[in-house]
Amino acid sequence: QPVLTQPPSASASLGASVTLTCTLSSGYSNYKVDWYQQRPGKGPRFVMRVGTGGIVGSKGDGIPDRFSVLGSGLNRYLTIKNIQEEDESDYHCGADHGSGSNFVVFGGGTKLTVL
Amino acid sequence: EVQLVESGGGLVQPGGSLRLSCAASGFTFSSYEMNWVRQAPGKGLEWVSYISSSGSTIYYADSVKGRFTISRDNAKNSLYLQMNSLRAEDTAVYYCASHPLYYWGQGTLVTVSS
Repeated sequence: QPVLTQPPSASASLGASVTLTCTLSSGYSNYKVDWYQQRPGKGPRFVMRVGTGGIVGSKGDGIPDRFSVLGSGLNRYLTIKNIQEEDESDYHCGADHGSGSNFVVFGGGTKLTVL
Repeated sequence: EVQLVESGGGLVQPGGSLRLSCAASGFTFSSYEMNWVRQAPGKGLEWVSYISSSGSTIYYADSVKGRFTISRDNAKNSLYLQMNSLRAEDTAVYYCASHPLYYWGQGTLVTVSS
């Protein structure tokens, strides 16, 4: 099954931009990845799905236009422009493996701090 | 508005049992595949179990296989997770979520401790 790797932390200043990375393990370059936002003390919230061609389907409910995605090789990127205080969250990536005991796999999550 | 509301969490001793419920509203529950996902304190997300819309296909993570049972009642718009032989490492917030994971509940905390 794929392994998804995320850096544990990232930071950006208010109004700046930041790109978060989720890296698939070798051999899984065709996999789509879902991004989730998790604000402190809250449940995860679907942001959007990304493949090598960019966004797949629609953004999650209420996700602002400031959020965008790109995919290249084994990397899946989530970019947030004009960062706001409410963007300070944990961001998780996940992928459907399709069956069996690793039906869905997640990365370790990236904690985004807004400076 | 889509709503998923989990209940049934609490403090249980090692080796004990607990049954989680998830009440769904705002969408056609019977048409949706569903999942349970958990998050240990300070840790990332861990997928636990999946059930197809009819209940005919079920998957479990290796960490819970043989101890947990997922089920659903489409007439009651409800998803369940029966958890037996609980261990300290099962301590987590448990979320029910659709499949794909577009809709999530707010979670219910399960603490396994003596």
